[in-house]
Amino acid sequence: AQKVTQAQTEISVVEKEDVTLDCVYETRDTTYYLFWYKQPPSGELVFLIRRNSFDEQNEISGRYSWNFQKSTSSFNFTITASQVVDSAVYFCALSEGFGNEKLTFGTGTRLTIIP
Amino acid sequence: EPEVTQTPSHQVTQMGQEVILRCVPISNHLYFYWYRQILGQKVEFLVSFYNNEISEKSEIFDDQFSVERPDGSNFTLKIRSTKLEDSAMYFCASRHRDSQETQYFGPGTRLLVL
Repeated sequence: AQKVTQAQTEISVVEKEDVTLDCVYETRDTTYYLFWYKQPPSGELVFLIRRNSFDEQNEISGRYSWNFQKSTSSFNFTITASQVVDSAVYFCALSEGFGNEKLTFGTGTRLTIIP
Repeated sequence: EPEVTQTPSHQVTQMGQEVILRCVPISNHLYFYWYRQILGQKVEFLVSFYNNEISEKSEIFDDQFSVERPDGSNFTLKIRSTKLEDSAMYFCASRHRDSQETQYFGPGTRLLVL
């Protein structure tokens, strides 16, 4: 069975600080996909990134970066120079291999950026 | 940019009433999903739908729930007799055919059962 753990329930940082959100996953499949979604106070789910299990290359998109390490089953998300608009709940999610690829979400990390 | 839409954005209903939540997936997508999120909790998978039939459903998706694609554009979730514990945000998502494709979520319908 697949499982996603986000141990950090809430994080608060002062604006312009860097912050890392942790995600640890469990799966028996060798082919799987990892995702991060952002849920701002308005409630919608905003897709941020998808990573497949064969691509461990880290990715950077502006102030966002992701560190995928299969050896530790982790897919961590770092925001550099945080801004107030980054305040949201962030969900890590996993889908396994081929088929209908339902998403299994973690419990989310509520990030608050203090101005 | 194409997006998933959902109506209504909010719905209040009395316990025992039937509700239908509507979704319009992205037009060239083939896989459709419903998820729910009880307030303050994680997002949970309910059901996936492909080729006009249910592909997979979770334990939550019991006989009180049903899904339908009544025409070429809408995808609906029906709750036959709502319970208090059905109060949640319901998200529709759609995906293109490849397994590498991302699920795109609608804005959600917030359901409150009184």
